[in-house]
Amino acid sequence: NAGVMQNPRHLVRRRGQEARLRCSPMKGHSHVYWYRQLPEEGLKFMVYLQKENIIDESGMPKERFSAEFPKEGPSILRIQQVVRGDSAAYFCASSRRDSNTGELFFGEGSRLTVL
Amino acid sequence: QKEVEQDPGPLSVPEGAIVSLNCTYSNSAFQYFMWYRQYSRKGPELLMYTYSSGNKEDGRFTAQVDKSSKYISLFIRDSQPSDSATYLCAMSFQGINDMRFGAGTRLTVKP
Repeated sequence: NAGVMQNPRHLVRRRGQEARLRCSPMKGHSHVYWYRQLPEEGLKFMVYLQKENIIDESGMPKERFSAEFPKEGPSILRIQQVVRGDSAAYFCASSRRDSNTGELFFGEGSRLTVL
Repeated sequence: QKEVEQDPGPLSVPEGAIVSLNCTYSNSAFQYFMWYRQYSRKGPELLMYTYSSGNKEDGRFTAQVDKSSKYISLFIRDSQPSDSATYLCAMSFQGINDMRFGAGTRLTVKP
């Protein structure tokens, strides 16, 4: 009964390169959420997706960031032309379709370091 | 003013102490209140969930919500070294989609 799987766990990129972070939700979960966590700051919502649909991307920066959750395969958070300020832990979470209990299941995060 | 305020600590207590963690919030429309625990280098995991005002107890953990004061608390009785983690409060208006997290309080329980 695998939980939310994220990879890579650690990613190092130089300024200007692209970062791709992948997330496979828990089995039976059709809702995926991406959060960013900076040191001493809370989790900041970025985007909420269902299969093939972006439901809410109000937390996503307008440029360089994009997310998808294709019919087959993991959800991907893509950051183009990374800058040092993108260095953070990026967490993916999933929930059941009908969950309204606030129970998000989080992955262990992908830690991006931009040199 | 942040929507959710949480003292980041750090908070250090001896084993067996009662721990009190708190959050305040500004938007009275929040209805769902959660506490997540996050161990170092791990993802957060849901610890407690309450709807509206009141208390909820689960083993050594008690969550309290005071909507009139816009204040929520998590109490840990008989704290253990294994409770050492960062505790994040979270709240939402309607469900998961609009959850807001506090910055987290780092707790260390010393043996």
